[in-house]
Amino acid sequence: DGGITQSPKYLFRKEGQNVTLSCEQNLNHDAMYWYRQDPGQGLRLIYYSQIVNDFQKGDIAEGYSVSREKKESFPLTVTSAQKNPTAFYLCASSPVGQGNYEQYFGPGTRLTVT
Amino acid sequence: AQKITQTQPGMFVQEKEAVTLDCTYDTSDQSYGLFWYKQPSSGEMIFLIYQGSYDEQNATEGRYSLNFQKARKSANLVISASQLGDSAMYFCAMGRTSGSRLTFGEGTQLTVNP
Repeated sequence: DGGITQSPKYLFRKEGQNVTLSCEQNLNHDAMYWYRQDPGQGLRLIYYSQIVNDFQKGDIAEGYSVSREKKESFPLTVTSAQKNPTAFYLCASSPVGQGNYEQYFGPGTRLTVT
Repeated sequence: AQKITQTQPGMFVQEKEAVTLDCTYDTSDQSYGLFWYKQPSSGEMIFLIYQGSYDEQNATEGRYSLNFQKARKSANLVISASQLGDSAMYFCAMGRTSGSRLTFGEGTQLTVNP
């Protein structure tokens, strides 16, 4: 079945460590996105990519980094520079082109940093 | 810049009744899309319905309909015949074109009572 996978579902790290969250899609979508969600709040855009080897900062990119070496994959690294990394992270993908298409979301990764 | 406002942090409805979730938006773009997503407690984001800014008819998808009033910049979600499984967080979002970023509101927590 086509979809987006994020692993792991729960992730625990010690403060000061970098951690990479994976996101893979087999929908053949050109665009991929990373969002952060804090409890009781909406989604905020971290980074997005519309094409391989290119990506743009979203509203809260500080302390995060991404790569887009393959169309199917868009990993997110939460660096030690991110002051409050504990959150729910959602990856999404969508086609690129005329008109509007919904974004398809993965199941998310809950990151806890202590 | 685009902005989404959802003024109802929480809403309650009796099973089998209809409920309207409010969403207002602000944008200087002429062409844009409006989306509603449902987020159950599991965290996944489920796409519900889409309305294009040039669509003259209100969008409908099963029990979901979007009450689009362009002049008032509102895109309210109407859920008819509420079911217990409708209890979830609901997010309104907007974007320019496919492949561009989405801007999300803060969400409305809907509780359906038996």
